Amino acid sequence: QKEVEQNSGPLSVPEGAIASLNCTYSDRGSQSFFWYRQYSGKSPELIMFIYSNGDKEDGRFTAQLNKASQYVSLLIRDSQPSDSATYLCAVRALSGTASKLTFGTGTRLQVTL
Amino acid sequence: NAGVTQTPKFRILKIGQSMTLQCTQDMNHNYMYWYRQDPGMGLKLIYYSVGAGITDKGEVPNGYNVSRSTTEDFPLRLELAAPSQTSVYFCASSSTGQGAGQPQHFGDGTRLSIL
Repeated sequence: QKEVEQNSGPLSVPEGAIASLNCTYSDRGSQSFFWYRQYSGKSPELIMFIYSNGDKEDGRFTAQLNKASQYVSLLIRDSQPSDSATYLCAVRALSGTASKLTFGTGTRLQVTL
Repeated sequence: NAGVTQTPKFRILKIGQSMTLQCTQDMNHNYMYWYRQDPGMGLKLIYYSVGAGITDKGEVPNGYNVSRSTTEDFPLRLELAAPSQTSVYFCASSSTGQGAGQPQHFGDGTRLSIL
């Protein structure tokens, strides 16, 4: 069973702080890793993807990947109330002719004033 | 720029009824996917397609059928609705290629209740 695990939260951080969201995966053949943000009642929207070990930065967001330890994380700097949402980690492993994603159950982030 | 469009947005069905959830994309993506999301849960893959005329089962295909007659459209069919199929259904698409990216783009979802 290929699994992606996330702490369901809620993770509560004060405005302006750094939020750290973590995700572990079981399939060592996984090649690409995605972070989606999902507001309540809305569809997932892509924040970042990463496929090489190390850090990848985009504005206030930094994705970190460690394939040896099989974890990927998302850091949100200077957290804002608008960042309050559920963050879904998704992992992609090539399978035949399709590249399907396996999603974690998501971590709910609450940014408090 | 429409992206992935799903209809209807909401629907209530009676047990045993059938319906088709529509999904169309205008990004010329070959890959399309159907997911369901139950409250507080992640997304579960129902069916996917790698191109017109080609479909395959995902994690939770029972009770559903799909077809892919064109690149743009990927409808999901429920033949005999059951309460366990109450969920939010998302359609997604992605481009092909062997690159590591090609993220999936999601429609706004269809909220389906079976009573």
